[in-house]
Order: sequence, then structure tokens, then C-alpha cells
Amino acid sequence: DQQVKQNSPSLSVQEGRISILNCDYTNSMFDYFLWYKKYPAEGPTFLISISSIKDKNEDGRFTVFLNKSAKHLSLHIVPSQPGDSAVYFCAASASTSGTYKYIFGTGTRLKVLA
Amino acid sequence: ETGVTQSPTHLIKTRGQQVTLRCSSQSGHNTVSWYQQALGQGPQFIFQYYREEENGRGNFPPRFSGLQFPNYSSELNVNALELDDSALYLCASSPRSQTSTDTQYFGPGTRLTVL
Repeated sequence: DQQVKQNSPSLSVQEGRISILNCDYTNSMFDYFLWYKKYPAEGPTFLISISSIKDKNEDGRFTVFLNKSAKHLSLHIVPSQPGDSAVYFCAASASTSGTYKYIFGTGTRLKVLA
Repeated sequence: ETGVTQSPTHLIKTRGQQVTLRCSSQSGHNTVSWYQQALGQGPQFIFQYYREEENGRGNFPPRFSGLQFPNYSSELNVNALELDDSALYLCASSPRSQTSTDTQYFGPGTRLTVL
């Protein structure tokens, strides 16, 4: 049962353009969402998070949007840079579970073309 | 302030053997979580430790066990290794607080290969 889904395994974007990565979830108890970036041979690096009390959070070139009614979140990267090429994972957690475990999607490989 | 470190980087074992992986948490973090990442998949939660006590477990058999020490470093032990245990094992630490937000910071992982 895949509670967090990233339906696009890969995405290619031209440098300078917007990258939009999508994530869907099924568990309505999730109230905290995160995006991680992963380069080969490294652990996931935290990018940005959003609590369910918000619908948008910005940090520099990265913006995360949350649509609770659709159980959907997206990560926007503007402008995209070649160094952004990596695998991006979305993750979700439910604070009421008592265990702050993260449920991850399967990842989207972003390639930014110079 | 140092980040999360893990050792060893790579490990090769044979089926039936036992393995211990180690993790040093980020300074000031009292919670550590372990994840297994198989090829082409996202990380899967194994278990979490908070102040040396197990604080939740994912869908992994009892041959996966762990420890957290007073200095908040941690070990993951896997007994009776199976071929499907081949994966990247990630540890993540976080500063448990009273708020619901709890960002976990990951180490570089240990790549385990079971032959």
C-alpha cells in the first residue's frame, strides 16, 4: 500500500525554467510534509517542509504547495540550475502517530539541461 | 557542529551472517531513525529510537534490531542476512521537541551487499 506516490519517475527541464515535481498521498492523518534531494552515493538532503496548517512555504528558489483537499503537494524550483539535477523524494509524517516516522515516495529524477 | 555520520561506507556479507551498522547523530539530536532504501525505491522506515528506547517500528522482522547509546549514537543489527537485505541503510537524526514538526537529517548511508 503506497501511501505516498510520486508518479513521474523522471523529469527533464531546461536551465532557467521552472521545475515542478508532484507528490500525492492517501493518508489523511499526514500533517507534515518534506522534500529531500539525493545525489548518488549521498544520503538525502533536506530541502523544504510544510505543515498541514499552511498551503505554501518558500525558501529561496524552492516553493512547496500543499492542497489538502486533493491530498497533493508539489515542489517548484525557479529558476532551475544544472546543480539541481538529482533524485527528489517527498515524505510525509503523522504527528499523532507518536512516532515521527517518514513515509517516502519512490522519487523523481530531475535532470536540468544546460 | 558535525552532521550525521555512518560507518562503514560499504559492506559485503554472505547469506546467514550477521552485520552491525553504526551511526553518529548530529550534535544535540536525541532521536535516531533507521531506513532501508532498496534500488529504485524510496527509504523504508525500520525503527526509531528516542532517548535509548525504541519508539516505533516499521514492517521489518525481529532479526532487525537496534540500540541507541547515551551519547545518542546508534547501531542497527541484522541477523541471518538474506539476499533481499542488500540495500542502502540510512540513519537520520532529529531534535525531538514538543512541536509536531520534526525534521530528520540523514547520514550518507551504508551500502550493504549480501551474496
